[in-house]
Amino acid sequence: DTGVSQNPRHKITKRGQNVTFRCDPISEHNRLYWYRQTLGQGPEFLTYFQNEAQLEKSRLLSDRFSAERPKGSFSTLEIQRTEQGDSAMYLCASSPSGTVKNIQYFGAGTRLSVL
Amino acid sequence: GQNIDQPTEMTATEGAIVQINCTYQTSGFNGLFWYQQHAGEAPTFLSYNVLDGLEEKGRFSSFLSRSKGYSYLLLKELQMKDSASYLCAVSKGGSYIPTFGRGTSLIVHP
Repeated sequence: DTGVSQNPRHKITKRGQNVTFRCDPISEHNRLYWYRQTLGQGPEFLTYFQNEAQLEKSRLLSDRFSAERPKGSFSTLEIQRTEQGDSAMYLCASSPSGTVKNIQYFGAGTRLSVL
Repeated sequence: GQNIDQPTEMTATEGAIVQINCTYQTSGFNGLFWYQQHAGEAPTFLSYNVLDGLEEKGRFSSFLSRSKGYSYLLLKELQMKDSASYLCAVSKGGSYIPTFGRGTSLIVHP
């Protein structure tokens, strides 16, 4: 399977704990995105990488959130001191660079539940 | 910012035709996407419109009017498997990152 892969699929944690999610994009895609989606809403943009460079971050991304893509391949999203409001589906997407059409290919997401 | 508006929920009968509307307000518009998302699954790409007019792809068609800030997704010969959320997303600016609407939940019944 050469699609976008996210791990874990589900994560249950207690408030105040740190969590880390991983995304493996489609191998030839230079761009990688993180989104958050809550029930009944569309995906909300969090941040995006072009290769290893983090080029844009949403104001939604508080200082408790950090994302990395150290070698321009897989990416991690870490949430520190989780809060109940962080409960959501975290989606990763990738796309090839240099295309105006910029079709994004999404992973199945990591569902986070903060108790 | 971008205001993207689409109906929350629609229902339709198997075999029928349904039109899902999307209106938007934005500057620096590049194009408009439609994605399909089944419950608990990843969004998947359906269509991309950058010029005015209708683009047809099998049972699905998408229309865009840039001057009116309006798009619709037309689904023909509805099947039960078409029950899903349909996301309208607008791309703007130099990064071409789409901003998504809240989605329209389509329920197809026999």
